[in-house]
Amino acid sequence: GAGVSQSPSNKVTEKGKDVELRCDPISGHTALYWYRQRLGQGLEFLIYFQGNSAPDKSGLPSDRFSAERTGESVSTLTIQRTQQEDSAVYLCASSLGSGGAYNEQFFGPGTRLTVL
Amino acid sequence: DAKTTQPPSMDCAEGRAANLPCNHSTISGNEYVYWYRQIHSQGPQYIIHGLKNNETNEMASLIITEDRKSSTLILPHATLRDTAVYYCIVRVAAVYQGAQKLVFGQGTRLTINP
Repeated sequence: GAGVSQSPSNKVTEKGKDVELRCDPISGHTALYWYRQRLGQGLEFLIYFQGNSAPDKSGLPSDRFSAERTGESVSTLTIQRTQQEDSAVYLCASSLGSGGAYNEQFFGPGTRLTVL
Repeated sequence: DAKTTQPPSMDCAEGRAANLPCNHSTISGNEYVYWYRQIHSQGPQYIIHGLKNNETNEMASLIITEDRKSSTLILPHATLRDTAVYYCIVRVAAVYQGAQKLVFGQGTRLTINP
């Protein structure tokens, strides 16, 4: 089956504009994660969703960032009033979310966001 | 959350074994050690994980010391395609059962030389 897909692959925007990034997880995966990776840096956790539970938003850097997930499928990450420091690759991952140690996260190819 | 320490970079000759170390001296008893790698311009890829026993799969072997304060990822016969950043991650406690965020450090940039 298909892996995690993300769109767009690249997004260039002007400072102050809003952007929406999309993630399609692997079918049947109940857990979905968003991470951010700045140039030359490791991944920063942003938010995750698990089934119908309230999402863990503890990694969102500011109230300009928000994310939604429709059921156990598509998720969108929205960044309002973008700033230059938001420039990064935004990675989405999904996992079975079934508990235990075998909870491998499968990552998408990422969306490269450039804020001019 | 237990933190990990890895060397920033390593080199290895093609065909040789690549041994990547990781220190996690504050790991707690119920935390697992996970390894992921990220090839340039791609998302991270799961490699292997373990609790206290050594583990092996088709990609690599994981050796965990008896006190669990450090581990080594072994790529037995490295190829050029193994050039990547390798992340050693200790699994943080879940807020919700089954969903566990990964905390990535800086990783080790492994370069396989021909």
